[in-house]
Amino acid sequence: AQSVAQPEDQVNVAEGNPLTVKCTYSVSGNPYLFWYVQYPNRGLQFLLKYITGDNLVKGSYGFEAEFNKSQTSFHLKKPSALVSDSALYFCAVRDKANDYKLSFGAGTTVTVRA
Amino acid sequence: GAVVSQHPSWVICKSGTSVKIECRSLDFQATTMFWYRQFPKQSLMLMATSNEGSKATYEQGVEKDKFLINHASLTLSTLTVTSAHPEDSSFYICSARMAGGSRTDTQYFGPGTRLTVL
Repeated sequence: AQSVAQPEDQVNVAEGNPLTVKCTYSVSGNPYLFWYVQYPNRGLQFLLKYITGDNLVKGSYGFEAEFNKSQTSFHLKKPSALVSDSALYFCAVRDKANDYKLSFGAGTTVTVRA
Repeated sequence: GAVVSQHPSWVICKSGTSVKIECRSLDFQATTMFWYRQFPKQSLMLMATSNEGSKATYEQGVEKDKFLINHASLTLSTLTVTSAHPEDSSFYICSARMAGGSRTDTQYFGPGTRLTVL
């Protein structure tokens, strides 16, 4: 069965500092990995995905993520966080053989203080 | 591009009534749509997978007679909560998977519908 884990419920950083949100995954085959962001009372916004190719994936709003197969990780990063990055972040994995269903992590609340 | 809308954005209803939520892909055709439920400060729970022109596939533990899903076209799926009760109060989110093209692997999410059953 496919699954992802987000080990941190909350991440707090100061504006301008680097931001990292951790995610590890477990799949039987090749992983299809995604990051989404959710603002209060809103749906999820797609940030980036890893399907194949370069391990460093660049996405929206200055975010990037690094796929590490040996560590089964897909951490989300931003070099310089903004207050507006404060939101709930979800990592998700899809097993293509599983009818394109996404399995989500529990979510990590990011708070960027001014 | 890849915009998904939901209507209504919020709804309050009395216990025992039925509520219909629409999910539309506005600028693309969606082979598959998904319905999720989210409780406060929790992750998304997949309720069912909806394929155009066929019956929805429900996840284990989800009552298909209570949560009726219809995927009438490649741009519209509806979720009807029948005989709603207060425990059905939740945030319902749909997503759509684009048919064909290089973005087939991405699900695009709607803004969600907040349902409150009194």
